[in-house]
Amino acid sequence: TQLLEQSPQFLSIQEGENLTVYCNSSSVFSSLQWYRQEPGEGPVLLVTVVTGGEVKKLKRLTFQFGDARKDSSLHITAAQPGDTGLYLCASHDYKLSFGAGTTVTVRA
Amino acid sequence: DTGVSQNPRHKITKRGQNVTFRCDPISEHNRLYWYRQTLGQGPEFLTYFQNEAQLEKSRLLSDRFSAERPKGSFSTLEIQRTEQGDSAMYLCASSTVGTGIRVDGYTFGSGTRLTVV
Repeated sequence: TQLLEQSPQFLSIQEGENLTVYCNSSSVFSSLQWYRQEPGEGPVLLVTVVTGGEVKKLKRLTFQFGDARKDSSLHITAAQPGDTGLYLCASHDYKLSFGAGTTVTVRA
Repeated sequence: DTGVSQNPRHKITKRGQNVTFRCDPISEHNRLYWYRQTLGQGPEFLTYFQNEAQLEKSRLLSDRFSAERPKGSFSTLEIQRTEQGDSAMYLCASSTVGTGIRVDGYTFGSGTRLTVV
């Protein structure tokens, strides 16, 4: 099972600010997925990245996959209260192995 | 199809009792997964099925845990002789098997929150 480290553990920002969260592993990801989870609900898939150096955008969210496929980042521009949640990265082979997540709170 | 459905949403039980959870996956998904999540942590893999076959069980799944998917459709997760350490959110997910470079898309249910008192 691949071990994933996510940082920071907690992040609290004001509406309109930008934020970046990180996901790192000592070994290469075959592919990586980012999820957002709201309290009392299951994780919801945001994006899958497969190719080293890949950048994907989903509205105000930008996902980057490191060239060596050992790290990834999620950047949110002009955060809104609706972005509040637990952001999880997960490595994927035939099952998902999750990091501990970053809890993001966006204050109105 | 409305997604992955889990029942019950919440379960409070006394230590030592048995509990059973149900998961109804997306109908065309042939893989079904069970995960456990405790506060402040990401989900941890417990077991998964491809159709009706249980292909892997995590070491986290002690002998008190059993999962079934009898007809390759819905699945049940039973915990016998519950302990306080079993308190967690139990999540079910389903997916199709990716082919070639296509990566499986996972859909999670809303989970069953178990509290053992």
